[in-house]
Amino acid sequence: GAVVSQHPSWVICKSGTSVKIECRSLDFQATTMFWYRQFPKQSLMLMATSNEGSKATYEQGVEKDKFLINHASLTLSTLTVTSAHPEDSSFYICSASPWGTGRPEAFFGQGTRLTVV
Amino acid sequence: QKEVEQDPGPLSVPEGAIVSLNCTYSNSAFQYFMWYRQYSRKGPELLMYTYSSGNKEDGRFTAQVDKSSKYISLFIRDSQPSDSATYLCAMSVNTNAGKSTFGDGTTLTVKP
Repeated sequence: GAVVSQHPSWVICKSGTSVKIECRSLDFQATTMFWYRQFPKQSLMLMATSNEGSKATYEQGVEKDKFLINHASLTLSTLTVTSAHPEDSSFYICSASPWGTGRPEAFFGQGTRLTVV
Repeated sequence: QKEVEQDPGPLSVPEGAIVSLNCTYSNSAFQYFMWYRQYSRKGPELLMYTYSSGNKEDGRFTAQVDKSSKYISLFIRDSQPSDSATYLCAMSVNTNAGKSTFGDGTTLTVKP
């Protein structure tokens, strides 16, 4: 299957700093990528849809100024958590799907465990 | 009420047992039904998907969809310790997988 690589796999940062997470599709181009947040023992919550060359679409309740998304190329999307606070600590996961397969396949990155201290 | 309901478990079975995982849903517009497996601290990986009602088999895994009851199942035969993971059901209206609605996941442990 297609490969989506996400980095870093874990990061610890101080409160008030910003953290950037990268999501790359390694063997296919993705005009759209998705960013999720997952709390322990809970499901994936879609945060935003990253669109190559245009603004991201954020889900209701997600602060776009806090979670900055950039999708500068067909293989790379980045999520920057700005002015991070302890309540932003969570597991962040990206996904992408090859275009035109006709199948509802989402390929996920490995996830990033963010801990804000 | 959530659009997709999934019993979180945890579920513990002996090796070799048949495992049944289930989800119910409320949105009759869902057409695609997926099962993902997620190991601890990893991203989910797609196990299989089904379009509309019916069964689909892939090795030891069988997915069933009953749209009339809004109920889907995943069966694992001859379960192995390596099957220990969290299983997420997901559903979507179309092939836009990113817009899937996920269940909360069922944590499965297969004991040797």
